[in-house]
Amino acid sequence: NAGVTQTPKFQVLKTGQSMTLQCAQDMNHNSMYWYRQDPGMGLRLIYYSASEGTTDKGEVPNGYNVSRLNKREFSLRLESAAPSQTSVYFCASSQGGNQPQHFGDGTRLSIL
Amino acid sequence: RKEVEQDPGPFNVPEGATVAFNCTYSNSASQSFFWYRQDCRKEPKLLMSVYSSGNEDGRFTAQLNRASQYISLLIRDSKLSDSATYLCVVRYDSGTYKYIFGTGTRLKVLA
Repeated sequence: NAGVTQTPKFQVLKTGQSMTLQCAQDMNHNSMYWYRQDPGMGLRLIYYSASEGTTDKGEVPNGYNVSRLNKREFSLRLESAAPSQTSVYFCASSQGGNQPQHFGDGTRLSIL
Repeated sequence: RKEVEQDPGPFNVPEGATVAFNCTYSNSASQSFFWYRQDCRKEPKLLMSVYSSGNEDGRFTAQLNRASQYISLLIRDSKLSDSATYLCVVRYDSGTYKYIFGTGTRLKVLA
C-alpha cells in the first residue's frame, strides 16, 4: 500500500540551483496537489491538477512550475531556488467529489 | 477573515479527559469537511470525514453545524498518543477541487 510517494525526502540546495520534486500515487486518483508548510503558516497550496492534462495555480505559485506527467505522477520544479522556498513540501491526491486527500510523507527542502 | 479558522491552542489535558475543538468556516458553499491529524511536521493523516448527521469513530466524534458554519471534533478518554495538531479542512463545491486548511489546533495530553 504505497499510496502517495514523494522523492527525495530531504534536499539541500544552494541559491539559484534548480531541482524537481517527484510525486506518484497508485490509488488511481484524478486530482493531485502540491503544498508547502512553514511554521505558523499552515498548508498553502502551490499548484494543483484537477485531472490528467490540466494544472492550475494555487495561492503561492510564484517561483514554481509543475507537470502532470500522467495520471500517476505530478512533479514540482524550482527553476532558481531562493532561501524563501525553504520549507516542507507535501504532495497529495484525491478522487475528487466529497473524497478526502491523501498525503505523501513530504520533502524537507533547505536552500542556503 | 480567514476562510477556515481554528484556535491554535495548545490544549493541555490530562490522560482520560474529554476535549473538544471547533473550527469555523466562512463560505456557506462549503460541501465537504474533514479532520486530519498531523504529528510534528509529518504528513497530515486523515482522521475522519465529517457528515451532516455527525459521525463517530471509536473515541472520536465529529459534528457539523451548517447554520453556524462550524465543525467540531470531540475526543473522549484522551491518550498520550492523541498528542498532535488537528487540522480542519473544508472543500468547496465550486469545481476548483481546492481544499482549504485551517492552521491547526495543538493538543497535548499529559500523563
